Amino acid sequence: EDQVTQSPEALRLQEGESSSLNCSYTVSGLRGLFWYRQDPGKGPEFLFTLYSAGEEKEKERLKATLTKKESFLHITAPKPEDSATYLCAVQATGGFKTIFGAGTRLFVKA
Amino acid sequence: DAMVIQNPRYQVTQFGKPVTLSCSQTLNHNVMYWYQQKSSQAPKLLFHYYDKDFNNEADTPDNFQSRRPNTSFCFLDIRSPGLGDAAMYLCATSRELRGALSYEQYFGPGTRLTVT
Repeated sequence: EDQVTQSPEALRLQEGESSSLNCSYTVSGLRGLFWYRQDPGKGPEFLFTLYSAGEEKEKERLKATLTKKESFLHITAPKPEDSATYLCAVQATGGFKTIFGAGTRLFVKA
Repeated sequence: DAMVIQNPRYQVTQFGKPVTLSCSQTLNHNVMYWYQQKSSQAPKLLFHYYDKDFNNEADTPDNFQSRRPNTSFCFLDIRSPGLGDAAMYLCATSRELRGALSYEQYFGPGTRLTVT
């Protein structure tokens, strides 16, 4: 069964304290792995798409990486405005079903 | 700006009273999705349309139905809402081709449904 597990559930950082969020996945064949940011009471906002193991993408303080079993979202020198829930999602080959993880709630304190 | 719009943003309905949530998009995307998200949980896919083809997830309750009259609009109908259906309902769109790489989804702001 296709599955996505994110850890930790919550992460509290001081401003400037770098860290990583984990997304472990099990899927019959990976069509794409996605990272989204979700602020309270809003819809998810797209960050990155990764397609194959070894792929990396960067945007400002965020960097996403992918292996055959997991993806990491690295946050370098976070700021309070990076506080949000970060969601990981996968689509398997053969269709458009999208499976989300429960997310990591990130709190960055000034 | 091209976007995904959901109406209403907040909906209160009574137990067992049918309710319809709407979604419209100006992105001209061919795939539209409906998700249910409960507090601190993962968005759960209810169904999606690839063009006019409707795809229902196996565990989506029969109580939930959807209509897509044209490319731009999609509706979620809850025939007899129960207390357990209180949640945020998210509409999303993407442009997809079967057999091609997967593309990101664009989400609306969601409709918060309360059942009294």
